[in-house]
Amino acid sequence: GAVVSQHPSRVICKSGTSVKIECRSLDFQATTMFWYRQFPKKSLMLMATSNEGSKATYEQGVEKDKFLINHASLTLSTLTVTSAHPEDSSFYICSAMGQGSYNEQFFGPGTRLTVL
Amino acid sequence: RKEVEQDPGPFNVPEGATVAFNCTYSNSASQSFFWYRQDCRKEPKLLMSVYSSGNEDGRFTAQLNRASQYISLLIRDSKLSDSATYLCVVAPSNTGKLIFGQGTTLQVKP
Repeated sequence: GAVVSQHPSRVICKSGTSVKIECRSLDFQATTMFWYRQFPKKSLMLMATSNEGSKATYEQGVEKDKFLINHASLTLSTLTVTSAHPEDSSFYICSAMGQGSYNEQFFGPGTRLTVL
Repeated sequence: RKEVEQDPGPFNVPEGATVAFNCTYSNSASQSFFWYRQDCRKEPKLLMSVYSSGNEDGRFTAQLNRASQYISLLIRDSKLSDSATYLCVVAPSNTGKLIFGQGTTLQVKP
């Protein structure tokens, strides 16, 4: 299957700082990327859908000014958690979908964010 | 009502047992259905797609009942390596958006 990478895999930061997470599709062009978060023992919750070259579409309840998403190229999307707080600590996972892939998504390995 | 509902378990079974997981979804217009597997602290990985005609992949059999809005996964001859959380996933449209169930935890014991 296709490969999606995420960087960093783990980050610990102080409250109030901003953290950028990168999601890359390594061997295919991802027209659409998705960002999820997952709390312990909970399911993945879709945060936003990101299409290359356009503004991300955020799910209800997700603050777009808090979670900045940029999808500047067909292989890279970034999620920036701005002014992070301890309640933002979570497992953030991206997925990528190629053109015409009919809902087939490839997931990145995830980024574990801990805000102190 | 949750869009995708699963019994979180855990299901504790001995090696070699057959175990079945069920899932219900609320949107009758949903387009695609999947079972994913997620190991602790890892990303989900696609186990299999689910079709109305049912599909089988080795020890795994998935079934979809559109009339009842119900999806199932059967695992035969459980292995220790099957221990994981199994996520029922529904795509409400062809936009790529996926709705995940809470997951059902399986623990296979020797």
